[in-house]
Amino acid sequence: QITLKESGPTLVKPTQTLTLTCTFSGFSLSTNGVGVGWIRQPPGKALEWLALIYWNDDQRYSPSLKSRFIITKDTSKNQVVLTMTNMDPVDTATYYCAHRLYAGGRGFDYWGLGTLVTVSA
Amino acid sequence: IQLTQSPSSLSASVGDRVTITCRASQGISSYLAWYQQKPGKAPKLLIYAASILQSEVPSRFSGSGSGTDFTLTISSLQPEDFATYYCQQLNSYLPLTFGGGTKVEIK
Repeated sequence: QITLKESGPTLVKPTQTLTLTCTFSGFSLSTNGVGVGWIRQPPGKALEWLALIYWNDDQRYSPSLKSRFIITKDTSKNQVVLTMTNMDPVDTATYYCAHRLYAGGRGFDYWGLGTLVTVSA
Repeated sequence: IQLTQSPSSLSASVGDRVTITCRASQGISSYLAWYQQKPGKAPKLLIYAASILQSEVPSRFSGSGSGTDFTLTISSLQPEDFATYYCQQLNSYLPLTFGGGTKVEIK
C-alpha cells in the first residue's frame, strides 16, 4: 500500500526559507521509473505543479519558480525534501506530494493529504 | 505550455452527460491526465495517457483526444461526481502544467 505524508511548518514569515518533507511508504525511490512530485494549491485556486524528482535523481522544476526551489531525495529514509527560498504571502497554499510512474505517461496516482502553509508576518 | 479548460464551471443534474474540454498551447501527443478533486481533499487520478482509465475509476468516466484538444466525459452524472476537475499535461520534457479547473455543480 502506497502512502505519502507531508510535514513542515504551518507558518513562515516573508523572506524566510521553507523546508517541506514528504515521507512515503509502499515504494522505493530507487526503483526504475518512480518519481515524487510537489504540487500546491492556494486557497480557492487551481493546482500548481512545482517540482519532481525521479529515481535516477533527474530533477524537474516549474520554470516560473525554478530559481527558488530545490528538490532532493533521501532514498534510505524514504523521503523527498522541497526547499523554497524567499517565501512571500502569495506562496500561502496547501502543499501536496505525490507519486508518479514515468513509464506510459502516467499521472500522479497517489497523493498525500496535504499540508497548509501560511506565509505571514 | 498552457492548458485552458472550458467551461470553468457548469451546472448539471444527476443523470446528465457532461463534457469538459482541455486545450494545450502546444502539441502534447496523448500525454494528458484528468483528476477529480472534492473540497478539502487531495486530487484523485481518473484518466492518464488521455484515455486510459485509472484502476477502480467507474466506467462512466472517459477521456479522448490527442495533440492539443482533449475531452473528459461523464456519461451519466452521479451525486458523488460533483467536484472540480483538472487536466494536466504529462510530457516529461515540458512543465507538468495543470489546467485552471472546471467546477461541476448541482443544478
